[in-house]
Amino acid sequence: DGGITQSPKYLFRKEGQNVTLSCEQNLNHDAMYWYRQDPGQGLRLIYYSQIVNDFQKGDIAEGYSVSREKKESFPLTVTSAQKNPTAFYLCASSIGQRAQYFGPGTRLLVL
Amino acid sequence: QKEVEQDPGPLSVPEGAIVSLNCTYSNSAFQYFMWYRQYSRKGPELLMYTYSSGNKEDGRFTAQVDKSSKYISLFIRDSQPSDSATYLCAMSANTGKLIFGQGTTLQVKP
Repeated sequence: DGGITQSPKYLFRKEGQNVTLSCEQNLNHDAMYWYRQDPGQGLRLIYYSQIVNDFQKGDIAEGYSVSREKKESFPLTVTSAQKNPTAFYLCASSIGQRAQYFGPGTRLLVL
Repeated sequence: QKEVEQDPGPLSVPEGAIVSLNCTYSNSAFQYFMWYRQYSRKGPELLMYTYSSGNKEDGRFTAQVDKSSKYISLFIRDSQPSDSATYLCAMSANTGKLIFGQGTTLQVKP
């Protein structure tokens, strides 16, 4: 089955720790995205990549980093510089400018 | 003012009712319009995707886009308890970046 997978489903971060969220897709989509969703708020774009080895900052990139070494993979690192990381993180992919398809999400909690 | 405005609700309706969900927007460059359904603690699921103005129907769902009024709607006919979820509108100006509404929480009571 084609789709987007995210792992882990739940992730716990300790103070000062960097953590990495995985996102993999087998839809052969060129573009991939990372969003953050907080209660009562819409989705906010963190980073996006329209092609391998290239990515751009979204609206709330501070405290996050990404890489795009393979078409299928777009991992997100939440660094210790992100002071309020507790949120639901969603990865998406698309063909060009068309509709985006989302993964199941990762819930990040701070210990 | 936000680029996309969506009433967060909650909206509660009896089973079988027709549901109307709406978004307004301010950017006249938006060309692509989407509706997503999101169940609690799950990723959003694409329901409808339309380009420019007009109507699109898929089963019990109808999406309408009125670019002159900068207004989009999603209608759900014969609503079911399984339709209870948060509905997100999203739109794009051909930049690859989607702008989302806040989401409307819908509850369909049996």
